[in-house]
Amino acid sequence: AQTVTQSQPEMSVQEAETVTLSCTYDTSESDYYLFWYKQPPSRQMILVIRQEAYKQQNATENRFSVNFQKAAKSFSLKISDSQLGDAAMYFCAYRSRDGGTSYGKLTFGQGTILTVHP
Amino acid sequence: EAQVTQNPRYLITVTGKKLTVTCSQNMNHEYMSWYRQDPGLGLRQIYYSMNVEVTDKGDVPEGYKVSRKEKRNFPLILESPSPNQTSLYFCASMGASGELFFGEGSRLTVL
Repeated sequence: AQTVTQSQPEMSVQEAETVTLSCTYDTSESDYYLFWYKQPPSRQMILVIRQEAYKQQNATENRFSVNFQKAAKSFSLKISDSQLGDAAMYFCAYRSRDGGTSYGKLTFGQGTILTVHP
Repeated sequence: EAQVTQNPRYLITVTGKKLTVTCSQNMNHEYMSWYRQDPGLGLRQIYYSMNVEVTDKGDVPEGYKVSRKEKRNFPLILESPSPNQTSLYFCASMGASGELFFGEGSRLTVL
């Protein structure tokens, strides 16, 4: 079974600075998806960024980028020019690309609470 | 607007009183699933449904039931709720691109 670990329960950053959230995962599969979700106080789960394992290029979405290290099974999220609205719980998640009983299932990490200081 | 709608958003109930959390999506998605979120554990899958009439257990199915009689609806049933089912529940559906669309969450407290 796959596992996802976020070793930083809490992180903080000054507005306009850069912060990196860590995520490691364990899998025996070679093809899969990785995601970062944001959960603000409203509790809504918002997809931030997605990475497909077969793509070597790191995904980027505006101020959000990832550092995907497939051999090390590491998937960190970098937030540049942090804004007050970035304050939230961030979850790293894994999804198998294969079918079977894991089809569609997201395996989540424990989450990292990000605080942004003005 | 494309969305996943859950009801109720908040519920306080007592041990043993049957309850149903409804979930409906308007995106014609085949795949739907339920997750529970607990502090320090992230989100864990309870049940999923590949399509109408096909459902299966996720990682934490004990104490829950589901049904999928129509494509758009996927209710979560707690036949005899217990305090350890106090949690935040999310329904989700999956689009053709593989992205999961989440509902707004249902906060359940079982006394």
